[in-house]
Amino acid sequence: EAGVAQSPRYKIIEKRQSVAFWCNPISGHATLYWYQQILGQGPKLLIQFQNNGVVDDSQLPKDRFSAERLKGVDSTLKIQPAKLEDSAVYLCASSSNTGELFFGEGSRLTVL
Amino acid sequence: SQQGEEDPQALSIQEGENATMNCSYKTSINNLQWYRQNSGRGLVHLILIRSNEREKHSGRLRVTLDTSKKSSSLLITASRAADTASYFCATGLDTGRRALTFGSGTRLQVQP
Repeated sequence: EAGVAQSPRYKIIEKRQSVAFWCNPISGHATLYWYQQILGQGPKLLIQFQNNGVVDDSQLPKDRFSAERLKGVDSTLKIQPAKLEDSAVYLCASSSNTGELFFGEGSRLTVL
Repeated sequence: SQQGEEDPQALSIQEGENATMNCSYKTSINNLQWYRQNSGRGLVHLILIRSNEREKHSGRLRVTLDTSKKSSSLLITASRAADTASYFCATGLDTGRRALTFGSGTRLQVQP
C-alpha cells in the first residue's frame, strides 16, 4: 500500500514570496490533515478535510494560508505572502475511520 | 495550548535499558495515541489506547492510561540504538472525526 506522498521535500523562499505544497493521501482515506511542525515542537493542526469539505480550519492563518482538496483526493496548501515565522515542516496526514493517522515525510520550508 | 505534554523533554539511556516517557493532558478524551518521529521524517503511529482501556502492549512497547489522573506512559523495553527518535503523545476526542492534538514530544537517545 502506497503511503502519503508530499512534495516538494524542501523549499527555500524569501519573505513575502509565495509557496505551495502538495499532498496525495492513502487511497480510500476520506480524512486529510495539514499540520505545521516548528523545530523542537509537536505538530499543530492547520486544517482538516473530510472528503472535500473543511471540518476544522480554526487554527489556519487565513490572511496568508489557504488550502483546498479538489475532488476529495489530493490537497494543496498555499502560503502567500510568507513570513519568517512560517519556517517549519508542513506535514500532511490521512486517516480512515480507525483513528490512527498516517503521515507523509513532510515539506520543510525555510523563509529567509 | 497543547493538549498533551510529555515528560521528560529529553532522555538518554544505554542500549538494553528500558525507557519510560510520560504524557499528561487536560480535557476528557476518547483515545490517546503514541507516535514516533525519526529525525527529518514524518510521524509513525505506534499504538492507540482507548479511554476505557488501562494498559496495552505491542511488541516491546507498553502503554498505560490513567484517565483519573489524565496521564499516560509509554515504556520501551530492552531499547535499541534504532529506537533513537522523538516520541509524541496525541489525544483524540472521538475516533476518526476530530483531529488529534499533539504534545511537544520526548527526544530519546539510545547509546549503543
